[in-house]
Amino acid sequence: QLQLQESGPGVVKASETLSLTCSVSGDSISSDTSYWGWVRQPPGKGLEWIGSFYYSGTTYYNSSLKSRVAISVDTSKNHFSLRLSSVTAADTAVYYCARHLLGYCRNGVCNTGWFDPWGQGSLVTVSS
Amino acid sequence: DIQMTQSPSTLSASVGDRVTITCRASQSISDWVAWYQQKPGKAPNLLIYRASSLKSGVPSRFSGSGSGTEFTLTISSLQPDDFASYYCQQYNSNFQTFGQGTKVEIK
Repeated sequence: QLQLQESGPGVVKASETLSLTCSVSGDSISSDTSYWGWVRQPPGKGLEWIGSFYYSGTTYYNSSLKSRVAISVDTSKNHFSLRLSSVTAADTAVYYCARHLLGYCRNGVCNTGWFDPWGQGSLVTVSS
Repeated sequence: DIQMTQSPSTLSASVGDRVTITCRASQSISDWVAWYQQKPGKAPNLLIYRASSLKSGVPSRFSGSGSGTEFTLTISSLQPDDFASYYCQQYNSNFQTFGQGTKVEIK
């Protein structure tokens, strides 16, 4: 059964870098059958996609966060990580990692699709 | 980016009611839409993908429809376990976006 688990500090100081890791069991992040991604949810608000990567190295980021975000991969540990720099109070949120299934494929290239399953989430609070 | 406008933001209903939630896309996105249910303090759970495909194990009272710019999630007979928040997601491009969410409350 595929499971994802986020880990990392619960509190980050403003202007510093948020770092989270998603450990995956039950599937390989090197598989060509899905992307893997991050989504966040500020307290009491909606969902915001952060970014996703494919085993080939293709990575997509939300344009509103692109200048501050990076996703890295460690295939030997079957986990992937999120780094978000220069954080502010607006970055306080529950951060979820998820398998990002393939959407439509055309000429051998597949787009991102829907998220399933999700990790349980990790609350990160930015302190001043 | 493609915007998804979801309505209503809050919905009050009773057990047994038929409930419909709508998402409108800012441009045509074919049927590249997913729907999720989220309960307080929990991660979202996938209900429907490709606008109308029900995820295995999801009760058949949930259904999705639509194409182009207008999409609906319908719960045919609301059950106590269905009081939760619901989100649509478009994945027409690699830069997906979510609707603002609909909270289904007990009337």
